[in-house]
Amino acid sequence: AQSVSQHNHHVILSEAASLELGCNYSYGGTVNLFWYVQYPGQHLQLLLKYFSGDPLVKGIKGFEAEFIKSKFSFNLRKPSVQWSDTAEYFCAVTKTGGGNKLTFGTGTQLKVEL
Amino acid sequence: NAGVTQTPKFQVLKTGQSMTLQCAQDMNHNSMYWYRQDPGMGLRLIYYSASEGTTDKGEVPNGYNVSRLNKREFSLRLESAAPSQTSVYFCASSEDRLGASTQYFGPGTRLTVL
Repeated sequence: AQSVSQHNHHVILSEAASLELGCNYSYGGTVNLFWYVQYPGQHLQLLLKYFSGDPLVKGIKGFEAEFIKSKFSFNLRKPSVQWSDTAEYFCAVTKTGGGNKLTFGTGTQLKVEL
Repeated sequence: NAGVTQTPKFQVLKTGQSMTLQCAQDMNHNSMYWYRQDPGMGLRLIYYSASEGTTDKGEVPNGYNVSRLNKREFSLRLESAAPSQTSVYFCASSEDRLGASTQYFGPGTRLTVL
């Protein structure tokens, strides 16, 4: 069965610091990759997704992620975080041809301090 | 467009009681999903419906039943609630069952079973 690992469970940054959240998946076939964000008290929203083409994808609010197939990774980055980025971030994957069943990582809680 | 709506927002049950969580979407999506979110475990798929009239088990289906009432509505039923079912439940929908199809999430139902 496929799985998704997010190694950073809690991250604390100061405003303007750069962010990189790790995500690795275990599945040898073709996958579709997603980053979702959950702001405090709100539902999950899609930040960005990759399914084919340019491995560097850009999402909303200045976030980007790079798919590195050889490393089974899809790390999320942002050059300069803001206090409003405080949220929980989830990496998720679906298998191409396997239906649209998302497998989520355990999430990374990001706190941005002023 | 309300997107994906869920009722109720909060619920407290006693062990052995039953209840139905309701979900509706107004985006004319074909596929719908139920997830549960537990601390440190991310979101896990309970059941999904690839299209109207079909349902299938996800990763953690035990103790739950679902009904795809029509294209808009997908309900989750707990026949005999157990404390292990204390969780936050999210409904989601997507245009189709293809793996790159974005899932849109509802606001969640926070359920406590005493």
